[in-house]
Amino acid sequence: AQSVTQPDIHITVSEGASLELRCNYSYGATPYLFWYVQSPGQGLQLLLKYFSGDTLVQGIKGFEAEFKRSQSSFNLRKPSVHWSDAAEYFCAVGRTSGTYKYIFGTGTRLKVLA
Amino acid sequence: GAVVSQHPSWVICKSGTSVKIECRSLDFQATTMFWYRQFPKQSLMLMATSNEGSKATYEQGVEKDKFLINHASLTLSTLTVTSAHPEDSSFYICSAPRADYGYTFGSGTRLTVV
Repeated sequence: AQSVTQPDIHITVSEGASLELRCNYSYGATPYLFWYVQSPGQGLQLLLKYFSGDTLVQGIKGFEAEFKRSQSSFNLRKPSVHWSDAAEYFCAVGRTSGTYKYIFGTGTRLKVLA
Repeated sequence: GAVVSQHPSWVICKSGTSVKIECRSLDFQATTMFWYRQFPKQSLMLMATSNEGSKATYEQGVEKDKFLINHASLTLSTLTVTSAHPEDSSFYICSAPRADYGYTFGSGTRLTVV
């Protein structure tokens, strides 16, 4: 079955500290992988995506993610968190064609301490 | 590129009335549009998949007679919540896939039924 797991529902970090948000997936084919950020009451903003090639992907706002096929993971990282990064983060996997669905993880809510 | 415009951003309606949400692809042709629903502090749940010129495919448990989807053109998909009730209050988001981009999302519509 297709699934996306974000094990951490809430994460709290101090401003300036490093961040890693975990994402594991189960999928019937090699999926495309995405990370989105959502501020309260807002839509989704794409942070980065992985289709193929280099497994370390750079995104916007200083985020990066690494695809590890052997671990079925696509963890999001940022070396130094800013207070404005406080938001909900969603990992998603899918294909843009065929019968595979595009599914989201349950989200990780990030709180940043000043 | 790959912009999806969603309107309205928010709407308040009386119980028993219908509400239409529109999603337009501004700079590409969206043959497929996904409709998601998000409850507070929860992830996005796929409701249905609409394809231009054909009937929408609904996920299990989604009432097709309550959530009417129309995808009459390559740039417009609509979701109509019929006979809305307070339990239909939610955040609705559309998304269109592009093979070269992944998925692009509308900004979402917050529906409140009173």
